[in-house]
Amino acid sequence: VQLVESGGGLVQPGRSLRLSCTASGFTFGDYDMSWFRQAPGKGLEWVGFIRSKPDGGTTEYATSVKGRFIISRDDSKTVAYLQMNSLKNEDTAVYYCRALLEWLGLDYWGQGTLVTVSS
Amino acid sequence: EIVLKQSPATLSLSPGERATLSCRASQSVSSYLAWYQQRPGQAPRLLIFDASKRAAGIPARFSGSGSGTDFTLTISSLEPEDFAVYYCQQRSNLYAFGQGTKLEIK
Repeated sequence: VQLVESGGGLVQPGRSLRLSCTASGFTFGDYDMSWFRQAPGKGLEWVGFIRSKPDGGTTEYATSVKGRFIISRDDSKTVAYLQMNSLKNEDTAVYYCRALLEWLGLDYWGQGTLVTVSS
Repeated sequence: EIVLKQSPATLSLSPGERATLSCRASQSVSSYLAWYQQRPGQAPRLLIFDASKRAAGIPARFSGSGSGTDFTLTISSLEPEDFAVYYCQQRSNLYAFGQGTKLEIK
């Protein structure tokens, strides 16, 4: 079982960045996919999630990113995406993706990817 | 917006001791509360979901209790690998985390 995030890096304020979370070793389509972040030296913050297609495939977002970030998934490629637009300095964090089978309490996490927003 | 407050901020104990961590919600979250462990430099991992259900592969020394606004994570006998930061998280109204409790070696 593996989740691998990619796409992080240094980006200027106001620009966009897309993170990918590539899954392997489990039935990706059955899992809700979430994104979390952790600013340097700070606690965990939920960013948003996308439900599995059987659960409707709908998305929810934290207030801090709603309207700027978009989560999507491609079950055929077993990838989840986090499209981040209009980035702000305060979006600087390590971003984690997580797959969750909620009824079983079974979750898998990626290793995290660092996004730095700075001019 | 539901706010979760964890206490204490830091807990200093020795291996073999019992740890009790608290999480209080600003309004009822029913039983929709989870606990996570995060070791330094690692991603978090789910320990407890729906207040008292152990996640897959989690040792029996971890237990959760509570409902409504007051929740507890108990580690019955601390192992060296248990010293980490613990977060509670509600899913009653979207998701939100507490600020964390650092469990450190005394």
